[in-house]
Amino acid sequence: DIQMTQSPSSVSASVGDRVTITCRASQAIGSWLAWYQQKPGKAPKLLISIASSLQSGVPSRFTGSGSGTDFTLTISSLQPEDFATYYCQQANSFPLTFGGGTKVEI
Amino acid sequence: EVQLVESGGDLVKPGGSLRLSCSASGFAFSGYDMNWVRQAPGKGLEWVSSISSSSSYIYYADSVKGRFTISRDNAKNSLYLQMNSLRDEDTAVYYCARPQSATWLVDYWGQGTLVIVSS
Repeated sequence: DIQMTQSPSSVSASVGDRVTITCRASQAIGSWLAWYQQKPGKAPKLLISIASSLQSGVPSRFTGSGSGTDFTLTISSLQPEDFATYYCQQANSFPLTFGGGTKVEI
Repeated sequence: EVQLVESGGDLVKPGGSLRLSCSASGFAFSGYDMNWVRQAPGKGLEWVSSISSSSSYIYYADSVKGRFTISRDNAKNSLYLQMNSLRDEDTAVYYCARPQSATWLVDYWGQGTLVIVSS
């Protein structure tokens, strides 16, 4: 199974800060990686697909990069609505696996 | 507008059974693979099962293999998860999730249905 390791598990930041979250796969997954945002009591929302493809309607301050085993989600200027938990997911092979999550807190 | 609406969640005793349903609308359901993903209270996301558009390919997490069965009815635009021999650790919100075309990366999620396994 491919393990997805996210870091950090939590980060404290302020509005306007640049935040970087990393996701490392235990083996190469090409670009088969997505990033999701989840707010309390809500379903996850897709932000980035195929490692770097920004989904329609997602603000351009979100950027995804990487391939192979190392991936990054960057929020260039944190906004109040960005405080949430972020997950990565690999879709290179079954079982599909998610990272443990990164909680972005004030 | 793509909509996925889960139903069937309930409180059930360990060893019991439950069938979850997901009603899909706003897209050509028969042309898409589908997933079930769950989230235990206060925990992260865990993939449960996937089924291809024509039901030709089915995959399960080891944690549910032999106990859960995924199925679909394309004529009814519906996805199902039959859950047997339920355990405490199956307690979670269960999401129906549609992957993007040609990938298993999810682009649409339902609102989730809560399954509680407790005596």
